[in-house]
Amino acid sequence: GQQVQQSPASLVLQEGENAELQCNFSTSLNSMQWFYQRPGGSLVSLFYNPSGTKHSGRLTSTTVIKERRSSLHISSSQTTDSGTYLCALANTNKVVFGTGTRLQVLP
Amino acid sequence: DPKIIQKPKYLVAVTGSEKILICEQYLGHNAMYWYRQSAKKPLEFMFSYSYQKLMDNQTASSRFQPQSSKKNHLDLQITALKPDDSATYFCASSQPGLGGREQYFGPGTRLTVL
Repeated sequence: GQQVQQSPASLVLQEGENAELQCNFSTSLNSMQWFYQRPGGSLVSLFYNPSGTKHSGRLTSTTVIKERRSSLHISSSQTTDSGTYLCALANTNKVVFGTGTRLQVLP
Repeated sequence: DPKIIQKPKYLVAVTGSEKILICEQYLGHNAMYWYRQSAKKPLEFMFSYSYQKLMDNQTASSRFQPQSSKKNHLDLQITALKPDDSATYFCASSQPGLGGREQYFGPGTRLTVL
């Protein structure tokens, strides 16, 4: 079965609203990384966060290993946040990506 | 300046032909990877290399062959191309230790096989 599940699959927000994106995994974890994929396809690393909470501007990532989940919180969303957000789980020999959350922020 | 270069950005090929996708990284990393993203599918891990040696191969087909001529190069040769090979191919790099290192991605090569 799918080792990494992301929710929601898609999300539409009004500018200024907050978003909470979830990533749940069914296997053991070595590392968790969050990416933003631009509409043109390029990938930007947002967080490398194997455990705990990290902040970067309006973004916060929290990984709770024993609950096998990681979240990405976007506060005060902007139209430029639109795109796809991917989480990636790395074990010793394999990296598995989630199916992504497609975010659209409306003006 | 881009730290991971992939060439070409776009590539169109005919069925049955052979192509090489180029990847160079200037991050000083010793591990490199290839991923594939087909339409409406998640990113798929294909290969990992560490110190120019193959560490993991999750690609079933031998038509896909990575080639590492230098420490900071990992090209991908694809032979006998099929329309199903159409996808965006991403190269990535990190310090060694797949399980615990942050990965950085190149801009991708979008391959279309007619």
